[in-house]
Amino acid sequence: EIVMTQSPATLSVSPGERATLSCRASQSVSSNLAWYQQKRGQAPRLLIYGASTRATGIPVRFSGSGSGTEFTLTISSLQSEDFAVYYCQHYNNWPPALTFGGGTKVEIK
Amino acid sequence: QVHLQESGPGLVKPSETLSLTCNVSGDSIITQRYYWGWIRQPPGRELEWIGSIHFSGSTYYNPSLKTRVTISVDTSTNQFSLRLSSVTAADTAVYYCARLFVEGVVVVAATSWGQGTLVTVSS
Repeated sequence: EIVMTQSPATLSVSPGERATLSCRASQSVSSNLAWYQQKRGQAPRLLIYGASTRATGIPVRFSGSGSGTEFTLTISSLQSEDFAVYYCQHYNNWPPALTFGGGTKVEIK
Repeated sequence: QVHLQESGPGLVKPSETLSLTCNVSGDSIITQRYYWGWIRQPPGRELEWIGSIHFSGSTYYNPSLKTRVTISVDTSTNQFSLRLSSVTAADTAVYYCARLFVEGVVVVAATSWGQGTLVTVSS
C-alpha cells in the first residue's frame, strides 16, 4: 500500500509571497500525482495532474513538479483566494485506485 | 456542464447500512471518458477514496473498505449509488460523489464533484 505524506501540515504565508508544498510517496509513483485545493465548506478542486499538468482553468501561478517519490506544488504569488487546504493524490495505473495525502493548510501570515 | 448531487439519509444507526445516490445531470453516465466515484472526508480530516465504477458496471474499491462497500450504476436514471454496511461512528463523514477522468485505462483524478452530504452514524 502506497502512503502519501504531505509537509508541512500548516504553512503560514503572506499575500504575494511564494508557497511551496511537499508531497512524498512511500514508493515510486512515477508521475501519477494530482493536487487539489479545498476551501472551507467546499468540495475539492483539481489543480494539477500528471505531476505538472494544470487542469482546465487553473491559473499559471499554480505549478507542480517532481516524479518518483518527491513532489512539489508551488504557488508563485499567493492571492487571497488561495488560502485553503491542499491535498496530493496518487492514482494507480491498475487496478484503479486513488490515495490521498493528509493535506497542507495554507494560512495567512 | 456536468452537475452531481448526492442524496440520502443524514443519520444512520450503528451496524446499519448507509445508502447514498448520486444524480448526474449535464452529462451521460454512459461514457468511456470517465469513471464515477465516491470519496469521503471525516470532519476535520483528509479525503479518503471509497471506490469507483464504470458505466459497464466494473467496480474498484478501497481495500480497507472492500468488504463493506457496494457501488452500483443505473444508466436508465443516470445515477450511481453507494452502500456501506455495518457502519460505526468512524464512518461519520461528508460523502462526495465525483466524476473521474480517464487517460487511456488509467483513472486519474476527480474533475467534478457533488457538494457533499454529511452522514452521521449515531444511535
